[in-house]
Amino acid sequence: GAGVSQSPSNKVTEKGKDVELRCDPISGHTALYWYRQRLGQGLEFLIYFQGNSAPDKSGLPSDRFSAERTGESVSTLTIQRTQQEDSAVYLCASSLTQGGNQPQHFGDGTRLSIL
Amino acid sequence: QKEVEQDPGPLSVPEGAIVSLNCTYSNSAFQYFMWYRQYSRKGPELLMYTYSSGNKEDGRFTAQVDKSSKYISLFIRDSQPSDSATYLCAIRGSYIPTFGRGTSLIVHP
Repeated sequence: GAGVSQSPSNKVTEKGKDVELRCDPISGHTALYWYRQRLGQGLEFLIYFQGNSAPDKSGLPSDRFSAERTGESVSTLTIQRTQQEDSAVYLCASSLTQGGNQPQHFGDGTRLSIL
Repeated sequence: QKEVEQDPGPLSVPEGAIVSLNCTYSNSAFQYFMWYRQYSRKGPELLMYTYSSGNKEDGRFTAQVDKSSKYISLFIRDSQPSDSATYLCAIRGSYIPTFGRGTSLIVHP
């Protein structure tokens, strides 16, 4: 399909383990965003990539969270030493450019549960 | 005060009703206004996008923006049970949009 693809769709892990979440943006989209959505809450911005520019990491909640993106392709979000409060849906979105007139297109998310 | 306020609901209406969903925002620099629909266990899906005051219509959906009041609305005509979902408003001035927490809509047959 031509949409944003995220994997895994569900992840259950024990507290203290590291997890890696993957996002494949729409081909040709230069901007990529990661969000966290807790149950019944809105979308919390985590990090933003635009082409080869330095990412905007201002939303990362702690140094246990990191993300990478190679060029304009796949991105991975890594959470180290997971805590129970990290349980949430992690959503990835991409847009054609960073311009405000370019809407975001979302994947279906990774549902992360920390036991 | 949050930058974007949205009543979480739930809003329950009978099939065929006109639905009004609303958001208020505080930052007058916001220029672009979006509505997303999110079904359970799915990602948000873009419904409407506009950048000017006034109305924009697409089928049964109408997005309305009042920049002077910092108020946006989404109207759904002839609502259907398949419209049952969470509706999120998103507003942006720069490259990072700010989302409302979403309104849960239930359309019962």
